[in-house]
Amino acid sequence: DADVTQTPRNRITKTGKRIMLECSQTKGHDRMYWYRQDPGLGLRLIYYSFDVKDINKGEISDGYSVSRQAQAKFSLSLESAIPNQTALYFCATMGASGSYETQYFGPGTRLLVL
Amino acid sequence: AQSVTQLDSQVPVFEEAPVELRCNYSSSVSVYLFWYVQYPNQGLQLLLKYLSGSTLVKGINGFEAEFNKSQTSFHLRKPSVHISDTAEYFCAVGDTGGFKTIFGAGTRLFVKA
Repeated sequence: DADVTQTPRNRITKTGKRIMLECSQTKGHDRMYWYRQDPGLGLRLIYYSFDVKDINKGEISDGYSVSRQAQAKFSLSLESAIPNQTALYFCATMGASGSYETQYFGPGTRLLVL
Repeated sequence: AQSVTQLDSQVPVFEEAPVELRCNYSSSVSVYLFWYVQYPNQGLQLLLKYLSGSTLVKGINGFEAEFNKSQTSFHLRKPSVHISDTAEYFCAVGDTGGFKTIFGAGTRLFVKA
């Protein structure tokens, strides 16, 4: 089984709808991240969390919100989806051993906002 | 602020030929540097990383990269590519203070038969 899972894998929604993307991990990592990937722009950080009570905005947090329900779960919400939020979304985790470590990525959620 | 520039958006190469994917970074502090690979319809996975020590870093699948502090570069190389190396490659720099990662725009490697 995958260490980092994302649901759904694909989603089509309409402008103005609220949607939630979910991420779960079995790696026991404290740090979790949400990125979006757009062609030619690489990955950009939306939100990140270092534990259940520590949530931080990334470089492009406007229009998004997150919830860290447990160490293993980190959800991303689009309160009112708009077409320019069409993108590939990735969740990632990182351990907290005191030094910078590798990030582990989920398979991604492809979102289309009509 | 840290940033990463990948100098080529696409690199076509024939099978068994050598390849170099170029990456430059900017940072005012010590850096951690990474190369990740994304195969079609998959998430990113780590190829290799430089945290400290030897400037030549070896990774998985025969890839290696060299950290050059004076040129602020971290280019990725492979002496002989395979069709299966076709993927998108991302250079990244780690924020040593905040445990965040800054990614480049990516380089799409096409390996042709």
